[in-house]
Amino acid sequence: GAGVSQSPSNKVTEKGKDVELRCDPISGHTALYWYRQRLGQGLEFLIYFQGNSAPDKSGLPSDRFSAERTGESVSTLTIQRTQQEDSAVYLCASSLGVGRRERTGELFFGEGSRLTVL
Amino acid sequence: AQKVTQAQTEISVVEKEDVTLDCVYETRDTTYYLFWYKQPPSGELVFLIRRNSFDEQNEISGRYSWNFQKSTSSFNFTITASQVVDSAVYFCALRPMNTGFQKLVFGTGTRLLVSP
Repeated sequence: GAGVSQSPSNKVTEKGKDVELRCDPISGHTALYWYRQRLGQGLEFLIYFQGNSAPDKSGLPSDRFSAERTGESVSTLTIQRTQQEDSAVYLCASSLGVGRRERTGELFFGEGSRLTVL
Repeated sequence: AQKVTQAQTEISVVEKEDVTLDCVYETRDTTYYLFWYKQPPSGELVFLIRRNSFDEQNEISGRYSWNFQKSTSSFNFTITASQVVDSAVYFCALRPMNTGFQKLVFGTGTRLLVSP
């Protein structure tokens, strides 16, 4: 598609369950990011993928959070044993990435996946 | 360490008023990029502008203008003659220029409410 696509758009789950959030970046974008936005808050960096390099996981808040990306395509963010404080909008973004002529870091965001943990 | 501060959590104006959104940043990097993004109620962040740290020339795009002051580490955003459609949360962000890692550090955002 033309933009970054995220699914599901809304997810309600019970505390303790696992959830998977999916991100389909813009075709040709080598860089992919996950951010978390709690209600009324700013964007909190979670993880960054750049091509085949090892991802930067420095923003993941706990070992319950993990993310994968196959090549330069779809990424999945997994939250295990969800807690109420995980409730937030999870935003995915992609960009052309390092090594390309365009290195300005302009990110293209999806509409996010709203997670509610009851 | 890098930090972006948007001290104004919410601003309310009446249509046609001018409004300035403040952004102050901290970084030890000598070269960097600054950004503004708009997040309308739909939730999808929209890129507005990117600024290089070595270019302090102010920029105007229609009703939008940006004032970059390196001496005060500020990158303020002004909307002239605001419109209801400008209602959104606006985020300022920072990224070092000469690193391989393109992580953007965002401020906490300023919610702008423009009433008719």
